[in-house]
Amino acid sequence: GAGVSQSPRYKVTKRGQDVALRCDPISGHVSLYWYRQALGQGPEFLTYFNYEAQQDKSGLPNDRFSAERPEGSISTLTIQRTEQRDSAMYRCASSLGSDGYEQYFGPGTRLTVT
Amino acid sequence: AQKITQTQPGMFVQEKEAVTLDCTYDTSDQSYGLFWYKQPSSGEMIFLIYQGSYDEQNATEGRYSLNFQKARKSANLVISASQLGDSAMYFCAMFEMNRDDKIIFGKGTRLHILP
Repeated sequence: GAGVSQSPRYKVTKRGQDVALRCDPISGHVSLYWYRQALGQGPEFLTYFNYEAQQDKSGLPNDRFSAERPEGSISTLTIQRTEQRDSAMYRCASSLGSDGYEQYFGPGTRLTVT
Repeated sequence: AQKITQTQPGMFVQEKEAVTLDCTYDTSDQSYGLFWYKQPSSGEMIFLIYQGSYDEQNATEGRYSLNFQKARKSANLVISASQLGDSAMYFCAMFEMNRDDKIIFGKGTRLHILP
């Protein structure tokens, strides 16, 4: 079946603009995770959902970042008033349950803020 | 303190040799899981292997095995008979079952397999 998909794959935006990054998890997966990955670094946890409920948002850097998963499937990560330091690869992963293993990652969205 | 430590930023290994990638972790929980991901230059994240803290035997998946030493809090990845396609970034990660299940990744080790 289809894996995790993310769109757009690449996004270039000007500083100060808002961006919305979309994640479509594997069908039937309960848990959905967002990560941010700087070049040459490991993924940094941002937030995660079980169904539509946001379980943990302690990794969100500041209040410009928000995420939602209103129907327990597709999720959107929104960054308001983007800054250059927000430039990174944003990755989404999903798993069957919240027991935390075998997360399947999407291809990521490469965000560049100019 | 870092939860996951990978002390080897880069490694060069001759093809067909075995490779050990180091990973140590820090947790006070009794219930946790450890795993390894491979990230080739294409950027995808590929799940390799998983070890639960209560698993008595070391996990193995084909050429991959996890050398789990609980008392030393180490979870090294061993790749037997390395291949050119093994060249990639490798991340060790942990989740603690009593801490909201979020996964913490190490900084990674870049492995280069030489022909």
